[in-house]
Amino acid sequence: GAVVSQHPSRVICKSGTSVKIECRSLDFQATTMFWYRQFPKQSLMLMATSNEGSKATYEQGVEKDKFLINHASLTLSTLTVTSAHPEDSSFYICSASSFPEQYFGPGTRLTVT
Amino acid sequence: QKEVEQNSGPLSVPEGAIASLNCTYSDRGSQSFFWYRQYSGKSPELIMSIYSNGDKEDGRFTAQLNKASQYVSLLIRDSQPSDSATYLCAVKGAGGSYIPTFGRGTSLIVHP
Repeated sequence: GAVVSQHPSRVICKSGTSVKIECRSLDFQATTMFWYRQFPKQSLMLMATSNEGSKATYEQGVEKDKFLINHASLTLSTLTVTSAHPEDSSFYICSASSFPEQYFGPGTRLTVT
Repeated sequence: QKEVEQNSGPLSVPEGAIASLNCTYSDRGSQSFFWYRQYSGKSPELIMSIYSNGDKEDGRFTAQLNKASQYVSLLIRDSQPSDSATYLCAVKGAGGSYIPTFGRGTSLIVHP
């Protein structure tokens, strides 16, 4: 199957700082990428969908000014968590579409202290 | 609202048995169906995709699709303790829709 990488795998930051997470499709071009968040023992929650070269579409309840998504190329999307707070601590997972299938990155565990 | 329903489990089976995981969906126009495996603390991994009615086999895994009943299942033969994980069902609609709807997952425990 297709490979999606994500960096960093784990990050600890202080409250009020910003964190950038990168998602790359390594062996295919992904017109569409997705960002999910998952809290412990809970299901995946779609945060936003991004298409290369256009603005991301955010799910209801997700603050677009807090979670900045950039999809500058067919192989790279970034999620920046701005002014992070402890309640933003979660497992963030990106996914890239090689239509019709969708492949997930390994995830980034964010801890905000 | 498109819905994908799965029994949360846990489903507990002995090693060597067949594990049967089920999923129903509400959008009758759905075209693409996927099963993902997610180990605790890890991201989901695509294990099967199925697009037409009937069975699709890949190693110990068999996906079964019945569009008339809006039902998709995953059978795991000769279950191993390493199969213990949460299994997510995902469904994509018609018309080139690219946003899948995920079920909440079924927890499978294979005990020795």
